[in-house]
Amino acid sequence: DAGVTQSPTHLIKTRGQQVTLRCSPKSGHDTVSWYQQALGQGPQFIFQYYEEEERQRGNFPDRFSGHQFPNYSSELNVNALLLGDSALYLCASSLSSGRRLSSTDTQYFGPGTRLTVL
Amino acid sequence: AQSVTQLDSHVSVSEGTPVLLRCNYSSSYSPSLFWYVQHPNKGLQLLLKYTSAATLVKGINGFEAEFKKSETSFHLTKPSAHMSDAAEYFCVVTYEGGNKLTFGTGTQLKVEL
Repeated sequence: DAGVTQSPTHLIKTRGQQVTLRCSPKSGHDTVSWYQQALGQGPQFIFQYYEEEERQRGNFPDRFSGHQFPNYSSELNVNALLLGDSALYLCASSLSSGRRLSSTDTQYFGPGTRLTVL
Repeated sequence: AQSVTQLDSHVSVSEGTPVLLRCNYSSSYSPSLFWYVQHPNKGLQLLLKYTSAATLVKGINGFEAEFKKSETSFHLTKPSAHMSDAAEYFCVVTYEGGNKLTFGTGTQLKVEL
């Protein structure tokens, strides 16, 4: 059973560019969440997708956007990259109990994409 | 706002001795609490979770944690450390009505021979 997969593993961009990161959820999962982990810090919640819609969002600017496809895979897009966007981007998948948010859902994480902005 | 505080940024133990990683949470609402582990260059792995059932939660690899409402704590313990336990550990909280994970700042566990 494949777990959560992310691509690419590493990425180097320059300021002002745009980037797209990809995530495939664990088999059977329908919800994808994205987190940003800066060096030496805990992950910060960016947003969550369920039924192809953004269901929750953290304190990140509109430069961060996403998408979820009918097969539940997801993309994270970041526009106008800043040096401060350099981080490990983590995708997590879970199985939702319908539309209601459940605090007990277990989220399974992928290995992450290391983004470096020069 | 929901939050957790990990009281130690670094913990060092000898192999075979007990491990204690401390975590306190804010008490606004009924929390669900998790411990995740992150080994270098690897993703986060769930160790255990508390969801208002038994207050003593057993997880993988011999770890356990006890939810203490009176102390707003959820400390992670293991009776005997192994070299393979060396990693970063995160205490995580969610609250009823939401499921975005809020992470602590992490505790780096070092295990020495």
